[in-house]
Amino acid sequence: GQSLEQPSEVTAVEGAIVQINCTYQTSGFYGLSWYQQHDGGAPTFLSYNALDGLEETGRFSSFLSRSDSYGYLLLQELQMKDSASYFCAVRASDRGSTLGRLYFGRGTQLTVWP
Amino acid sequence: EADIYQTPRYLVIGTGKKITLECSQTMGHDKMYWYQQDPGMELHLIHYSYGVNSTEKGDLSSESTVSRIRTEHFPLTLESARPSHTSQYLCASYASGTGGRGANVLTFGAGSRLTVL
Repeated sequence: GQSLEQPSEVTAVEGAIVQINCTYQTSGFYGLSWYQQHDGGAPTFLSYNALDGLEETGRFSSFLSRSDSYGYLLLQELQMKDSASYFCAVRASDRGSTLGRLYFGRGTQLTVWP
Repeated sequence: EADIYQTPRYLVIGTGKKITLECSQTMGHDKMYWYQQDPGMELHLIHYSYGVNSTEKGDLSSESTVSRIRTEHFPLTLESARPSHTSQYLCASYASGTGGRGANVLTFGAGSRLTVL
C-alpha cells in the first residue's frame, strides 16, 4: 500500500521561512505533488517533482529525494494569506492507468502570525 | 474562474433522503474523481472514472454511487442519506495522455458541503 507522513501543524511569523516535510512509502512511484487548501476551500495545485532536486516557483519551492523517499515544501517570505493546509500527494502505480493515481497525506495546517 | 463546477455548494437534508451531487468540467478531461473530506482531515478517494462508462470505487468505503455517461459529467448519488454522510465532497479531474507535469495536476471543484440531520 501507500503511506505518507507529514507534520500535522506548523506555525511561523510573517516574513519567516518554513519547511513542511513529507516522507512516503509507495510502490511504483512517479512523483510528488503539493496542494494548498484554505479553510472551506478546494485544494489548489502548487508544485510537482518527478526528479530529484529543487523546483522553485516564486516564494514556494519544492524538493524531492527519491532515494530517501522524502520531499519538502519551502515557503519563504511568509504572508498571512499563506495560512492554510498543505497536502503532499504521491503519484504511484494504479492498475487502471499508466499514469498512476494520487495518494494524499493527512495535511499540515500552517498558521502565520503577524 | 473554475473549469470544474459542483452543485449544490451547501445542502442540509433529513435522514433517508436521496441526493445527487453534480460535477461538471469543461476541460475535456477523461479522468474524474470524488473525494470525501471532513474538516481538518485528509482527502479520501471514494470514486473515480477513467472515461465514459468507466467507474471504480476508491479507497474509502462509501454507500454512494457514481455514473459517467458523458465525459464532462460525473454525478454522485446517495440513495438514502444518513448523518454519517455529513462531510465535504470534492470533485476533481485531470487529462491523461499528456504525461509529465501536466498529468499530475488535479483541478478541484469548490466542493459540496453536505449536512444530514
